[in-house]
Amino acid sequence: NAGVTQTPKFQVLKTGQSMTLQCAQDMNHEYMSWYRQDPGMGLRLIHYSVGAGITDQGEVPNGYNVSRSTTEDFPLRLLSAAPSQTSVYFCASSYSIAGGAVGGRGNTEAFFGQGTRLTVV
Amino acid sequence: AQKVTQAQTEISVVEKEDVTLDCVYETRDTTYYLFWYKQPPSGELVFLIRRNSFDEQNEISGRYSWNFQKSTSSFNFTITASQVVDSAVYFCALSEARGNYGQNFVFGPGTRLSVLP
Repeated sequence: NAGVTQTPKFQVLKTGQSMTLQCAQDMNHEYMSWYRQDPGMGLRLIHYSVGAGITDQGEVPNGYNVSRSTTEDFPLRLLSAAPSQTSVYFCASSYSIAGGAVGGRGNTEAFFGQGTRLTVV
Repeated sequence: AQKVTQAQTEISVVEKEDVTLDCVYETRDTTYYLFWYKQPPSGELVFLIRRNSFDEQNEISGRYSWNFQKSTSSFNFTITASQVVDSAVYFCALSEARGNYGQNFVFGPGTRLSVLP
C-alpha cells in the first residue's frame, strides 16, 4: 500500500516564488490535513479538509491555500513564499467519523506522508 | 484549549538503560484520545499507540509500555532496555474534535531521545 504520498521531498524557493506541495492518499480517507514542523514546536495544523470540496483553516493558515477536488488529493499552495515558511511539511489522512461517542471521531490514528523539507531563501 | 506538554526536550541514555518520556495534556473534553508517534532520523512519523480516555489500563508492547493516569492528565511512555535504534524524536499527541466530522491532533513539542552504544 502506498498510504500517503507527498512530493517533492526537498525544495528550495526564492522569496516571492510560488509552489504547490502535493499530497495523495489511497486509503479512501475523508479527512486530510497539512502540518508544519518547526524545531521545539511539534507539528502545527495549517489547513484541513473533511471531504471533497470542504476545507477549513487550522492554527497557522496565513500564506497557504488548499483545495480538495477529489478524495485522494489535497495540495498545499504557497502563493508568495517567505523565509518564515522554511519548515518541514507533513500531510496526514485519517478516517472521518461523525459523532462524538467513544469509537467515533478522534479514535483513529493519522497516517502521515514522508514530509517535504522546504527552504525559502 | 487543548495542550500537550513534553517537558523533556532531550534525553540521553546508554544502551540497555530504561527511559521514561513524560507527557502531560490539557483538555476540557470528557472523551478524548491520546497518541504517541516516533520520528526516527529518516524523518517519517510512525504511529506507536492510541489510548482513549475511558481506558486507563496500562499497555505493554515488547520493550514499550505506556502509563495513562487520568487523575494527573499524564500519558507517559517507557522504553525498557533501550537500544540504539530507539534513538528518535517522540511526540505525544491529543486528538481534538474538529467541526462535525473531523479530528485534529495537538502535538507536544517532542522529546529527542539519544541512545548511546
